[in-house]
Amino acid sequence: DSGVTQTPKHLITATGQRVTLRCSPRSGDLSVYWYQQSLDQGLQFLIQYYNGEERAKGNILERFSAQQFPDLHSELNLSSLELGDSALYFCASSGKAGASDTQYFGPGTRLTVL
Amino acid sequence: AQSVAQPEDQVNVAEGNPLTVKCTYSVSGNPYLFWYVQYPNRGLQFLLKYITGDNLVKGSYGFEAEFNKSQTSFHLKKPSALVSDSALYFCAVRPPLDTGRRALTFGSGTRLQVQP
Repeated sequence: DSGVTQTPKHLITATGQRVTLRCSPRSGDLSVYWYQQSLDQGLQFLIQYYNGEERAKGNILERFSAQQFPDLHSELNLSSLELGDSALYFCASSGKAGASDTQYFGPGTRLTVL
Repeated sequence: AQSVAQPEDQVNVAEGNPLTVKCTYSVSGNPYLFWYVQYPNRGLQFLLKYITGDNLVKGSYGFEAEFNKSQTSFHLKKPSALVSDSALYFCAVRPPLDTGRRALTFGSGTRLQVQP
């Protein structure tokens, strides 16, 4: 168990809908990362937050947004969903920025868009 | 921009035999390299990392990896494979510290199948 929790485990929804994925980092970790794993794109970085502020953006669509709250949990919001958004979404957390910080991953949320 | 290549989609090995999962990378500056393993319906589990120092890095579950700067490789190894090692393995690279970026770039993954 990595100590990173994600809810829900599974989500099934329809095209055009909006969903929210939630992540709680390991105790004491300030950074949260979101990654998307799909069959055609592999594992891709979406966005990073550090202590409540956005730090870096990757291949995140404009329909997607995220935030990190004062208690350090994070939410990834996906809107106007398309079939191609079906994927496994991972959250990872790491400690204070440093050379050797390791990212620990949650179990993921499997999103199915019908 | 950094990139990672895992040239083998699948590696098959008999239980008890040594295994190697290959990874090559491309990054400007000193690389920070990681191996993760993913079991079915599970998240990614951290195995080991190379930051600096000894080129042979030891990790969890008896795995080790050898960093080779001249060949830009970071191959994962284990002296004696177990059936329970069967899983999907990912190599990842992170930009150097002075870039301020922390996001991982992953390879495409290698499925390891250990036969009894």
